Amino acid sequence: GAGVSQSPSNKVTEKGKDVELRCDPISGHTALYWYRQRLGQGLEFLIYFQGNSAPDKSGLPSDRFSAERTGESVSTLTIQRTQQEDSAVYLCASSSTVGGRETQYFGPGTRLLVL
Amino acid sequence: AQSVTQPDIHITVSEGASLELRCNYSYGATPYLFWYVQSPGQGLQLLLKYFSGDTLVQGIKGFEAEFKRSQSSFNLRKPSVHWSDAAEYFCAVGSTGGFKTIFGAGTRLFVKA
Repeated sequence: GAGVSQSPSNKVTEKGKDVELRCDPISGHTALYWYRQRLGQGLEFLIYFQGNSAPDKSGLPSDRFSAERTGESVSTLTIQRTQQEDSAVYLCASSSTVGGRETQYFGPGTRLLVL
Repeated sequence: AQSVTQPDIHITVSEGASLELRCNYSYGATPYLFWYVQSPGQGLQLLLKYFSGDTLVQGIKGFEAEFKRSQSSFNLRKPSVHWSDAAEYFCAVGSTGGFKTIFGAGTRLFVKA
């Protein structure tokens, strides 16, 4: 596609339920990133994929969070047993490196509300 | 510990005036430094980044930033602000390996006519 897409755009769920967020990066981008932005706060790095592997999972806030990426394309971020503090906008980005310069492109985000 | 401080929660400037947004970081090694802009209708966008080399970095939309190691700063500047620059600006610091970053809390820019 023309840009990074994320789905759903909005998700309302009940505390304790599992949710799955999807990111479709720009075709050919090998690097993929997940971030979280809670209301009134800055961005938090969650996880980074290079291809299908995740060399850095240090940003995941707890073991309820996991992420996968298949085929160097789609990535899913799963939050199990959601809590109210998980409410946030979850942003995905992909990047390409051309001539040694890496450029990052963001998706529109998924707004998650846990009741 | 690694951290990023943006001392100004919000700044108001007149259209056409110059702008400087402050960013200070704490990082154990040579940092990778970034500025992002988040506009209500356009989402998040990378303005510029510093990895190495020239300490004055040019970005998109007429922005530039200067890395000053002695001051642990990476301030963002623009010589003449346009009303469309009104947005929230985030400074971030990272390590090798791309965009694993720690973000500042952001500075909201208001532009008055």
